[in-house]
Amino acid sequence: NAGVMQNPRHLVRRRGQEARLRCSPMKGHSHVYWYRQLPEEGLKFMVYLQKENIIDESGMPKERFSAEFPKEGPSILRIQQVVRGDSAAYFCASSPGTRADTQYFGPGTRLTVL
Amino acid sequence: QKEVEQNSGPLSVPEGAIASLNCTYSDRGSQSFFWYRQYSGKSPELIMFIYSNGDKEDGRFTAQLNKASQYVSLLIRDSQPSDSATYLCAVNFAGTASKLTFGTGTRLQVTL
Repeated sequence: NAGVMQNPRHLVRRRGQEARLRCSPMKGHSHVYWYRQLPEEGLKFMVYLQKENIIDESGMPKERFSAEFPKEGPSILRIQQVVRGDSAAYFCASSPGTRADTQYFGPGTRLTVL
Repeated sequence: QKEVEQNSGPLSVPEGAIASLNCTYSDRGSQSFFWYRQYSGKSPELIMFIYSNGDKEDGRFTAQLNKASQYVSLLIRDSQPSDSATYLCAVNFAGTASKLTFGTGTRLQVTL
């Protein structure tokens, strides 16, 4: 399967715990984007990364959220001290970095905070 | 504020008819426009992208772009019940690197 991979698909955390979401881009893609979809709301951009670089993090909440895309391994979105309002679907997308910037989405991680 | 506007629907069309989905955006300098389909509980699936004014056809789908009017649409010919989903319009606004700004989506219902 050459598509974008995300894991886990479902994640349950209690308030105050940490959530760690992983994304492996499509083969040949070096650009990764994270989006969040709150219940009954649209997709909102969070962060755009290339290998070892954060290109645009204008959509990331100022506190508790961080993202990385190391030289080796998947991209990680980390949410520290989760609160109930963090419950959402988190989607990762990847693109080859051509002019099209055509982004292909992974299946998402559905985070539930109890 | 860079925005993408869509009518939330639902848009109901009979099977075999043409479904017309519309989207307006706030920045005339935008270059790239995308349509995604999202089934309930699933991830967005890319249907089409368009950069130039005019029409772009792919199978039963046609994207139409009018930059002067800041308007992009998606036509679905011979609508099928399997086309019932939420259709998301996305824009890569000029000067925003590669991030996409999404509309809230239009829910399409194709009835038998």
